Amino acid sequence: SQQGEEDPQALSIQEGENATMNCSYKTSINNLQWYRQNSGRGLVHLILIRSNEREKHSGRLRVTLDTSKKSSSLLITASRAADTASYFCAPAYSGAGSYQLTFGKGTKLSVIP
Amino acid sequence: EAGVTQSPTHLIKTRGQQATLRCSPISGHTSVYWYQQALGLGLQFLLWYDEGEERNRGNFPPRFSGRQFPNYSSELNVNALELEDSALYLCASRSRTAGETQYFGPGTRLLVL
Repeated sequence: SQQGEEDPQALSIQEGENATMNCSYKTSINNLQWYRQNSGRGLVHLILIRSNEREKHSGRLRVTLDTSKKSSSLLITASRAADTASYFCAPAYSGAGSYQLTFGKGTKLSVIP
Repeated sequence: EAGVTQSPTHLIKTRGQQATLRCSPISGHTSVYWYQQALGLGLQFLLWYDEGEERNRGNFPPRFSGRQFPNYSSELNVNALELEDSALYLCASRSRTAGETQYFGPGTRLLVL
């Protein structure tokens, strides 16, 4: 399967702590995107990192990409109860399918107030 | 700007029936993607339409089909429904000119009894 694989499958932390989620993928990518899904609803785009970028920030989010290890990580700093959701990485593989995303099963994050 | 809309929000069918799900993309977006999210299976790519044509389909049987209309809205049809078709069906749209991000609708929850 070409889908991204998130790790861990579930993560439970206290409010104010940092949360780190990891993603591994299989072959060369054009970009990698992270999405959030709140309780069985639609996905919300968080951040896109291109294959020639190593780190990207957006507010409390920090994404890193290591193409040599075919892995990415999403760090949420100073977590809030509202961050409770499932987080998905979606690699966009190079070539004709670069506009097609492949999703894994996600990391379910629970932030305890 | 209105987001991606999907209808109906919920759909209950019995085995063997047909289901039709609808999606309206964000204005100006020409690409529409369909995903199935069954319990415990993550998001599975179903279909990708762009400019009225099917660009790619995932590993699903032919009874899953769809089309894209001249106004870029899309329809997903599932024939001969089976119990395991019960899932959340998500539609996403993308702008051909504005990059790789996909914008998701709230989904249609299909229950097959």
